[in-house]
Amino acid sequence: EPEVTQTPSHQVTQMGQEVILRCVPISNHLYFYWYRQILGQKVEFLVSFYNNEISEKSEIFDDQFSVERPDGSNFTLKIRSTKLEDSAMYFCASSLTGPSNGYTFGSGTRLTVV
Amino acid sequence: GESVGLHLPTLSVQEGDNSIINCAYSNSASDYFIWYKQESGKGPQFIIDIRSNMDKRQGQRVTVLLNKTVKHLSLQIAATQPGDSAVYFCAENPMGDYKLSFGAGTTVTVRA
Repeated sequence: EPEVTQTPSHQVTQMGQEVILRCVPISNHLYFYWYRQILGQKVEFLVSFYNNEISEKSEIFDDQFSVERPDGSNFTLKIRSTKLEDSAMYFCASSLTGPSNGYTFGSGTRLTVV
Repeated sequence: GESVGLHLPTLSVQEGDNSIINCAYSNSASDYFIWYKQESGKGPQFIIDIRSNMDKRQGQRVTVLLNKTVKHLSLQIAATQPGDSAVYFCAENPMGDYKLSFGAGTTVTVRA
């Protein structure tokens, strides 16, 4: 069964450093997403991406965040200057069309900012 | 076992019993709903979905019920097994939108 792959599984970074979280969506999917989950809390939407541009973003997705699809297979989330409160699980997801068509999550990257 | 009311963060259920997990959604414009299972250290896994033109949908050992009048969603798991221990989230999707809005989650623990 096709899956969304995320690397690394765990990243520890110093406060103020830049991090890049990587995702390989399912190959024929067209829509890509990032979500985050602070420990013990619900999953929160960050951003959706389609046709090489952001289609929607949440209030959480401020100027510190950016997304990119640098080639035909990877989808990245960059946090420019990490803060302690950025510590969370970050999930990538992809779908063929909208949420009702193959919306699949990766296993996540646990980001710890120290 | 059943989570009483709109939402409880934890549900303990005896193996073999049926489980009922409840969820209240907020957006009247939502027309698509999904239940996800999340095991420790993993991403949300799709369990079952339902569209707003239905009030019940059945899968293998799972049933989702939708009450649009009171904006309530429930997940029923028949003959709960140890492998069902996980956090369960409901998610809603407003028509024309591409993001999912997740509920707070219910941790289900199955007692042997």
